[in-house]
Amino acid sequence: EVQLVESGGDLVQPGGSLRLSCAASGFTFSSHWMNWVRQAPGQGLEWVANIKQDGSEKHYVDSVKGRFTISRDNAKSSLYLQMNSLRAEDTAVYYCTRDFSMGCWGQGTLVTVSS
Amino acid sequence: DIQMTQSPSSLSASVGDRVTITCRASQGISNYLAWFQQKPGKAPKSLIYAASSLQSGVPSKFSGSGSGTDFTLTITSLQPEDFATYYCQQYGSYPLTFGGGTKVDIK
Repeated sequence: EVQLVESGGDLVQPGGSLRLSCAASGFTFSSHWMNWVRQAPGQGLEWVANIKQDGSEKHYVDSVKGRFTISRDNAKSSLYLQMNSLRAEDTAVYYCTRDFSMGCWGQGTLVTVSS
Repeated sequence: DIQMTQSPSSLSASVGDRVTITCRASQGISNYLAWFQQKPGKAPKSLIYAASSLQSGVPSKFSGSGSGTDFTLTITSLQPEDFATYYCQQYGSYPLTFGGGTKVDIK
C-alpha cells in the first residue's frame, strides 16, 4: 500500500524554526518528484515546494523562498521541509504529496506559528 | 503565475443529480490539470490527472475533460459520500497552483 506519513508539526513562536518529515512506503521513493502542499485553517490549498528524484532540482513558492528548504533522503525514503523565520501566515496543515499531479497525499501535520 | 478560477464556488445539489464544476486557467496548460476531493478534516484525495485520466480506484461516476484553458469535472448520480469540496490544480508551470475550491453540499 502506498503511504505517506508526515510528522514534526508543532506550535512555534514567530521567527522560530521547525523541520517537517514525510516517511514514504509502498513505492519506489527515489523514482518520484515530491511536494509539500499546505492548507491554512479554513482556506484552500497552496503548493509550497517540490524536489526532483535525485534532489538536483528544487522549486519554491515565492512566499517561502529564502526561508524554507526542501530536501530528501532516498536511502530512508524520506522527504523533509526545513522551515526558518516562521511567520503567523505559515500556520497551516502541511501535506506531503507525490508527483506533479499529486496522486498520493499524506494525512498532514499541523504547524501553528503564534506567540 | 497561472491563476486557476473555479466556478461555481459552491453549489447545492440533490442525491442522484449530475454536477459539473468548471476550472479556467489564466494561460494555456495543455492537459496538465488534476482534480481532488476533500472532506472536512481529511486530506485531499486525487480523482483525476492529465485532465481526463481517472486515478486507480476512483469510480467512473467521476470524469474530467478539457485542454488548454478550460476544464470540467463531472459527477454523475451524486451520492451522500460525494458531498465535499473539489479543487483543480495545474502543473503546467511553476508555481503549481490550485483553484479556490467548489463546495458541493446537500440541497
